[in-house]
Amino acid sequence: QKEVEQDPGPLSVPEGAIVSLNCTYSNSAFQYFMWYRQYSRKGPELLMYTYSSGNKEDGRFTAQVDKSSKYISLFIRDSQPSDSATYLCAMSPDLYKLSFGAGTTVTVRA
Amino acid sequence: EAGVTQSPTHLIKTRGQQATLRCSPISGHTSVYWYQQALGLGLQFLLWYDEGEERNRGNFPPRFSGRQFPNYSSELNVNALELEDSALYLCASSSPGSGANVLTFGAGSRLTVL
Repeated sequence: QKEVEQDPGPLSVPEGAIVSLNCTYSNSAFQYFMWYRQYSRKGPELLMYTYSSGNKEDGRFTAQVDKSSKYISLFIRDSQPSDSATYLCAMSPDLYKLSFGAGTTVTVRA
Repeated sequence: EAGVTQSPTHLIKTRGQQATLRCSPISGHTSVYWYQQALGLGLQFLLWYDEGEERNRGNFPPRFSGRQFPNYSSELNVNALELEDSALYLCASSSPGSGANVLTFGAGSRLTVL
């Protein structure tokens, strides 16, 4: 079993829809949770960074962490074609041992 | 401010050869991380260098090695290339004290082994 599981998709939604992405994990020591966005032919860029359980909102993006269920989510509201990318979840027990999911490819249709 | 730069962008080698990939971190960043991104597998941690020292390595064979130079740039060497080494190799850097969670990635070097 992988330490971090992420459905690779692909996910295709119409413009304006809510995009829902999630990851599950097995290591209960994880306490830092991140979402990275990776455009084609580019490196990943940090999108959201949360510590422990709870919600964090940044513009159209909301990250949720449920440590009791070992489940994290990313929601993108009012999705735009420019949101089309691969989204990678990542998590760590400390500042140094980062584990990534395989990434979910999202296409937002205009 | 220049981002993380990697070279070459693409590299084609044959089995058994050696590959060298290079990375320049963001100015002021002292830590460099190397990741392998193979199709469908996500990012796999390879190596972490900080202040010129190797601090940690992932679950990869010893033929994957590297070093960090005094100017904090880094190179990744892959010896005795195998077909399954074909992947995108990503370098990332972080500022002192921020750890591995807040990474700035380069665009990667795509290695193809024939």
